[in-house]
Amino acid sequence: GQNIDQPTEMTATEGAIVQINCTYQTSGFNGLFWYQQHAGEAPTFLSYNVLDGLEEKGRFSSFLSRSKGYSYLLLKELQMKDSASYLCAALDSNYQLIWGAGTKLIIKP
Amino acid sequence: GAVVSQHPSRVICKSGTSVKIECRSLDFQATTMFWYRQFPKQSLMLMATSNEGSKATYEQGVEKDKFLINHASLTLSTLTVTSAHPEDSSFYICSARVERGAYTQYFGPGTRLTVL
Repeated sequence: GQNIDQPTEMTATEGAIVQINCTYQTSGFNGLFWYQQHAGEAPTFLSYNVLDGLEEKGRFSSFLSRSKGYSYLLLKELQMKDSASYLCAALDSNYQLIWGAGTKLIIKP
Repeated sequence: GAVVSQHPSRVICKSGTSVKIECRSLDFQATTMFWYRQFPKQSLMLMATSNEGSKATYEQGVEKDKFLINHASLTLSTLTVTSAHPEDSSFYICSARVERGAYTQYFGPGTRLTVL
């Protein structure tokens, strides 16, 4: 079956760095997405990885290892506004998104 | 680019009535759109895949006669919740897919439906 695993909740301190991990098992693979979802709002696109390695975009970076079925989202210089749920989703061979349950990130002052 | 709008943002209706939600891709054409539902503190749940010019594909457990989807153009998909009941109260979110490259889905802002 197809499956995405990510931690349910994480807590970090303002100004610090946090890494949110995601492992996936899909029928075929066409890339890995990260979305951010604030409470009561729709998800917004953060990143897409299809090749191994690290993609950096400002304070956010995303890493992919296809051989390990593993990705992480790295958030640096955490701000209070980064408190949100972070959704990992893998694109399978049919270009369908398989969603993780999301990681709720709590930022403390 | 890649902006998706959704209307209305919030709707309150009486039990037994029908509610239509519109999803529009504003600056790109989307042959495929998706409808999701999200209950408080729960994950996104895919309800159906909306295909332009053809019938929608519904996920298991989603009643196609209750949740009517029409994708009449490359920029518009509608979801009609028929004979709504209080248990249909939820956050409904659409997304439109860019049909090239990463096939990224971009989400509308969502519609919060409350059925009294």
